Parts: sequence; structure tokens; C-alpha cells
Amino acid sequence: AQTVTQSQPEMSVQEAETVTLSCTYDTSESDYYLFWYKQPPSRQMILVIRQEAYKQQNATENRFSVNFQKAAKSFSLKISDSQLGDAAMYFCAYRSSRSNDYKLSFGAGTTVTVRA
Amino acid sequence: DAGVTQSPTHLIKTRGQQVTLRCSPKSGHDTVSWYQQALGQGPQFIFQYYEEEERQRGNFPDRFSGHQFPNYSSELNVNALLLGDSALYLCASSLGGLTRDTQYFGPGTRLTVL
Repeated sequence: AQTVTQSQPEMSVQEAETVTLSCTYDTSESDYYLFWYKQPPSRQMILVIRQEAYKQQNATENRFSVNFQKAAKSFSLKISDSQLGDAAMYFCAYRSSRSNDYKLSFGAGTTVTVRA
Repeated sequence: DAGVTQSPTHLIKTRGQQVTLRCSPKSGHDTVSWYQQALGQGPQFIFQYYEEEERQRGNFPDRFSGHQFPNYSSELNVNALLLGDSALYLCASSLGGLTRDTQYFGPGTRLTVL
């Protein structure tokens, strides 16, 4: 079974600064998908960024980028130029590429606070 | 483009009762997954429905059951409610025929069991 670990329960960042969230995972598979989801107080889980394991290039979406280290099984999220609207719980998630395994496996989450 | 919708928003039940939660997938999606999120934790996979069949199930007891309708909407039923069933229930939709499908989530239903 795959496990996803987020070792930082909480992170705080000054507005306009950069914060990096850590995520590690355990898997014996060579191909899989990794995601970062954001869950603000409104509860709606929003997809932030997605990475396919077979792609060496790190994914980016505007101010959000990842550092994917496949050998280390590490998938960190960097939020640049932090904004007040970035305050939320962030979840790292893993999905297998096996044809009969469709579930997302989530970490415990990291709460991000943005200071004005 | 309508996103994933869920109803009701909040629900309060007592132990032993039964509850039904509803989900309508994002326009164009045919697959629905259900997750349980306890307070302060990450979501846990309950099951996924595709072509009106449960095609994968997580580690949840048989008290949790579901259904998918021909219009792809879905219901989650929980029987004999326990206090520990209090959680946010999230529905996610995706395109089942694609192996690289991304799951998009609804706003959730907050269930409180007293």
C-alpha cells in the first residue's frame, strides 16, 4: 500500500514571500501520479498541480511549482509571491497508474498561514 | 460549466440512524469517487463508481454502500451510524475511461452524528 507523509503540520509565510511544503511517499511502482490539492476554510478541495512520474520536468502552475525527486520519493510544493488567498490546508496525494487502482491516497495535510 | 455538486451541505443524525448523501459530477464526467475526511486529517477513499458499478472499494465496512444512476450522479448511504462516522464526506468526479484522469472535488457534506 502506498503511504504519503507530510511532515509539516503547519507553515507560516509572510505575504509576497516563498514557502515550501514537503511531501514524501512510499511506493514500489515506477509509474504513478502525484498531486497537490488546496482546501481553504470553505472546504472545497481544489487541484493545485499535478505531476506524472515518468516526466522528469517539474510541473509549474503560475506561482506554484514542484520539486519532484523520484529516487528520493519526494514531491515538494513551492508557493512563490504568497498571497492572502493562499491560506489553506494543502494535501499531497498519490495515485497509482495500475489499471485497477483508481483511488487517491492523501497525506495528513499542511496548514499554511499567510501573514499580512 | 457546472462543477461537482453535493447535497446536503450539513446533516445531523443520531446513532443508529441511516443517512443518504448525494453527488452530481462535473459536466462531462462519468465516474464518482467518495472520500471520508475526519477533522484535521486527509481524506480516506471509500469507493468509486463507474458505469453504475462499484469498481474499487477502500477499507470501509459494509455499512457504507453506494449507487450510481444512469445520469452518472451518485449516492452514498451509511447505515447504523456511529459517532465515529462524523466527518466531511467528499465526492470527486473524473473521466473513468482515461487512465490519467484527474479527480475534481465537490464542496462536501458535513455529517455530525450525536
